[in-house]
Amino acid sequence: EPEVTQTPSHQVTQMGQEVILRCVPISNHLYFYWYRQILGQKVEFLVSFYNNEISEKSEIFDDQFSVERPDGSNFTLKIRSTKLEDSAMYFCASRQDSNQPQHFGDGTRLSIL
Amino acid sequence: DAKTTQPPSMDCAEGRAANLPCNHSTISGNEYVYWYRQIHSQGPQYIIHGLKNNETNEMASLIITEDRKSSTLILPHATLRDTAVYYCIVRGNSGYSTLTFGKGTMLLVSP
Repeated sequence: EPEVTQTPSHQVTQMGQEVILRCVPISNHLYFYWYRQILGQKVEFLVSFYNNEISEKSEIFDDQFSVERPDGSNFTLKIRSTKLEDSAMYFCASRQDSNQPQHFGDGTRLSIL
Repeated sequence: DAKTTQPPSMDCAEGRAANLPCNHSTISGNEYVYWYRQIHSQGPQYIIHGLKNNETNEMASLIITEDRKSSTLILPHATLRDTAVYYCIVRGNSGYSTLTFGKGTMLLVSP
């Protein structure tokens, strides 16, 4: 069964550094999402992406964050200058169309030191 | 999106049916009920969704009351691997419809 793939599984970065989290959505999907989950807390929506542009974003997704679909397969989340509070699991999800559910990857654990 | 209410935790014996309830009394006519689960440290896994009819797939059954104000997810023969946090989420299917996760129900399946 097709899967959403995320790399790396664990990323350790110094505070203030830039980090890029990578996702390969399911191949025929059109809608892409990033969520995060701070340890012990709820899964929170960050951003949705459709037709090569951001369609919706949450308050968390400030100017430090950006997303890109640089080619036909990858979907990336960049954090420009990481802070300690950015430490979390980051989940990518994709959806084929509006009548289909979102499917999630297994996440990248981001640890900021 | 309508809010949902779920019990914080439930127990189930292995091999028995697990019935997980969800209240969504403010659901509107075009909103679907989705169920996801999250096994420790993994990404949320889609289980099933429905609008008003009962639904069944290889993982579970979803029973939605006639007034659509509540629903029940049924795992017919729970196994230890079904131990997870189960999320009931209500959302429309139009546009980009993001998912709003609550705290869910922690289901513990015991031998």
